[in-house]
Amino acid sequence: DAKTTQPTSMDCAEGRAANLPCNHSTISGNEYVYWYRQIHSQGPQYIIHGLKNNETNEMASLIITEDRKSSTLILPHATLRDTAVYYCIVRVVTAGGTSYGKLTFGQGTILTVHP
Amino acid sequence: GAVVSQHPSWVICKSGTSVKIECRSLDFQATTMFWYRQFPKQSLMLMATSNEGSKATYEQGVEKDKFLINHASLTLSTLTVTSAHPEDSSFYICSAFRRTGLTGELFFGEGSRLTVL
Repeated sequence: DAKTTQPTSMDCAEGRAANLPCNHSTISGNEYVYWYRQIHSQGPQYIIHGLKNNETNEMASLIITEDRKSSTLILPHATLRDTAVYYCIVRVVTAGGTSYGKLTFGQGTILTVHP
Repeated sequence: GAVVSQHPSWVICKSGTSVKIECRSLDFQATTMFWYRQFPKQSLMLMATSNEGSKATYEQGVEKDKFLINHASLTLSTLTVTSAHPEDSSFYICSAFRRTGLTGELFFGEGSRLTVL
């Protein structure tokens, strides 16, 4: 799986948009970009994933650059409960095989949302 | 609501005893589940891949005789830490993949914190 690079930490004011960048310059054509977050002492929570098009769901938006070498996770209106470690992961997802759910976690970005 | 549930959430045991942690997919079938371990202030480290009806696949450096994994049904995988020692104290997290079309989502349990005295 391609390696990702994320800033170690970021701050955001409550109510403002949080933009979390991720570099994945060695991503290959069949690798998806996944975002998870982990609130302290809990299991990781799935946020969103995408291949090349921008994606949006009830939690966040994912913006992937045209060359797919980087992406940005956007939390449109951050709240205190969004304080967590955010992980950007790229990996191949295939219809078969047993490795499709296997993820390699980096150190992630510690996002702190303050009042 | 949670789609993957772990039990127990936390457990304290004496050194030398064995501890079993359960991981259940609540509203979908998972032929494959994954077990991770996380030490304080560190990222998740994959321990093993649990395959329904067959042997688990362990990552390099993980002792299969110490961390017994059983995936007896499509909704349940168990991790047993045998002869636990204080260095086994950690946060254990399971995950299960729910396929949606050509891709899918990997859901994680709430985690189980093990403290070995």
